[in-house]
Amino acid sequence: QVQLVESGGGVVQPGGSLRLSCAASGFTFSSYGMHWVRQAPGKGLEWVAFIRYDGSNKYYADSVKGRFTISRDNSKNTLYLQMNSLRAEDTAVYYCAKDCVPIVAMYYFDYWGQGTLVTVSS
Amino acid sequence: DIQMTQSPSSLSASVGDRVTITCRASQGISNSLAWYQQKPGKAPKLLLYAASRLESGVPSRFSGSGSGTDYTLTISSLQPEDFATYYCQQYYSTPPWTFGQGTKVEIK
Repeated sequence: QVQLVESGGGVVQPGGSLRLSCAASGFTFSSYGMHWVRQAPGKGLEWVAFIRYDGSNKYYADSVKGRFTISRDNSKNTLYLQMNSLRAEDTAVYYCAKDCVPIVAMYYFDYWGQGTLVTVSS
Repeated sequence: DIQMTQSPSSLSASVGDRVTITCRASQGISNSLAWYQQKPGKAPKLLLYAASRLESGVPSRFSGSGSGTDYTLTISSLQPEDFATYYCQQYYSTPPWTFGQGTKVEIK
């Protein structure tokens, strides 16, 4: 079965950096686009970033553009999110999510990880 | 960017009630709409896609409809396990992928 397991969250000071990982299993990771979605405490869902199946294209929400970098290692079935210049408003649970259709799709998300909490605070 | 607006933001209902949640897009999205259910402390779960197609394993009491800019999620007979927050999401014009603000379904 599909499994997505995030790790790397924690407490970081404003201006600091953190790298999140998402280990994937149960599907052909190298064939699917992948997303990061976050949820601030008590708030709704906010899409953060997307990477195509082969890493050829990456897209970011305006709120994180220039500070966050999405990447993937298809040999390790792992998705990453490098977060730099962190702000208090980046505090959230970060979920990785799988796109629904292989290769060309940029559609909805059919599987989600359990999330990892990032807290930006001094 | 396409803005998604859900209504109501919250509702109280009883087991067995019929519940309807509305999602309005700021422009037409040609049925490119998904609905997710999220329970406290858990990840969102896909319920429907293409506005009305039920994801495998989702109970048939969930249904979706709509066209153009206006869409609805209906739970025909609310069950105890359905108390959760529901989100709509458009994937017609991406990036960005955009979500509604959520509708919390609470026990009356």
